[in-house]
Amino acid sequence: DTGVSQNPRHKITKRGQNVTFRCDPISEHNRLYWYRQTLGQGPEFLTYFQNEAQLEKSRLLSDRFSAERPKGSFSTLEIQRTEQGDSAMYLCASRPQGRPYNEQFFGPGTRLTVL
Amino acid sequence: DAKTTQPPSMDCAEGRAANLPCNHSTISGNEYVYWYRQIHSQGPQYIIHGLKNNETNEMASLIITEDRKSSTLILPHATLRDTAVYYCIVILNYGGSQGNLIFGKGTKLSVKP
Repeated sequence: DTGVSQNPRHKITKRGQNVTFRCDPISEHNRLYWYRQTLGQGPEFLTYFQNEAQLEKSRLLSDRFSAERPKGSFSTLEIQRTEQGDSAMYLCASRPQGRPYNEQFFGPGTRLTVL
Repeated sequence: DAKTTQPPSMDCAEGRAANLPCNHSTISGNEYVYWYRQIHSQGPQYIIHGLKNNETNEMASLIITEDRKSSTLILPHATLRDTAVYYCIVILNYGGSQGNLIFGKGTKLSVKP
């Protein structure tokens, strides 16, 4: 399967712990997005990479959140000192350069539960 | 905030056409209408997009009104596998756009046998 993959699929952690999620985009896609989705809501944009450069961060991305995309390949999203409000599905998406500019390919997501 | 308004839920009988409406009365001239869907426990999936002409692909048809203030996604022969939340998104569509999708709550379509 050459789609977007995310690991782990599920993560349960205790409040105050740090967690890290990984996203492997489709190999030729140079653009990568992270979204967060809480129950009953649509996904909310968190951050965007073009190759290895992080070009935009949402105000939702507090200073406890950090994302990287070394060498423009896979990406990681780390949450430090997790809070119960961080419980959500974290989705990664990628797209290639060119048309259609807004066809993003989503991974299955990582479901985070903070106890 | 999302620039679109969709009904929260709809039902459709299996084999019948599902017509999902979306209002986007504040759409600007260079914004496109995109549709995504999200099947339970999966990431969203792109369906179709358009500017002002009607569009059709292997998944669905998109009908955009002449004033572009609303659109309808049509699934011609809905199956149980089409049960999902459908999102209508209005967004600029050019290479310089970063393309951060703004999702609303969407329409939960339930296809019933």
